Amino acid sequence: AQKITQTQPGMFVQEKEAVTLDCTYDTSDQSYGLFWYKQPSSGEMIFLIYQGSYDEQNATEGRYSLNFQKARKSANLVISASQLGDSAMYFCAMRGDSGGTSYGKLTFGQGTILTVHP
Amino acid sequence: DTAVSQTPKYLVTQMGNDKSIKCEQNLGHDTMYWYKQDSKKFLKIMFSYNNKELIINETVPNRFSPKSPDKAHLNLHINSLELGDSAVYFCASSQDLGQGAGEQYFGPGTRLTVT
Repeated sequence: AQKITQTQPGMFVQEKEAVTLDCTYDTSDQSYGLFWYKQPSSGEMIFLIYQGSYDEQNATEGRYSLNFQKARKSANLVISASQLGDSAMYFCAMRGDSGGTSYGKLTFGQGTILTVHP
Repeated sequence: DTAVSQTPKYLVTQMGNDKSIKCEQNLGHDTMYWYKQDSKKFLKIMFSYNNKELIINETVPNRFSPKSPDKAHLNLHINSLELGDSAVYFCASSQDLGQGAGEQYFGPGTRLTVT
């Protein structure tokens, strides 16, 4: 079974500063994918970034980077130069890629509410 | 054009009724999903279809029945609605079930309220 843990219910950051949202995971799969999604107050789910378990380099997408530490089973999201529009709920998720009961389905963490102050 | 669309966006109904939520994707993806987000914002997968075949069927009451008439559509029918069914239901799609980046694209969600 897979488990995603986000220990920060809420985070605050000043505009233009960087912020790290924590995510740890547990899985018995050898191959898996890690994802971050953003859910603004309007409710839609927006894909931000993906990291494959065999990717040696940390993923980056614009102002988003994923700090992947496989041995520690962590996949933290780093948002640089925060903007007011970054205020939202952020979900870490995992997808099993090795077959079995976790194959193909996203397992989500509890989410972290990020508030960006001007 | 909307990539993944759901209708209706809001659904208010009484206990015991039967209702359906429709989902369509125009991305040419092979795999579609239904997720439920509860009042605490927790997201959990319900079903997944790959090429119209049911692949994932989580421990969901059999009052919930997905139907995929073709690869672009995945509908969710709910019988005998209960108060606990109140939630936001998201449809999603991806190119493959579990390969590569293959991110899942989500629809806007359907907020179901059972009174």
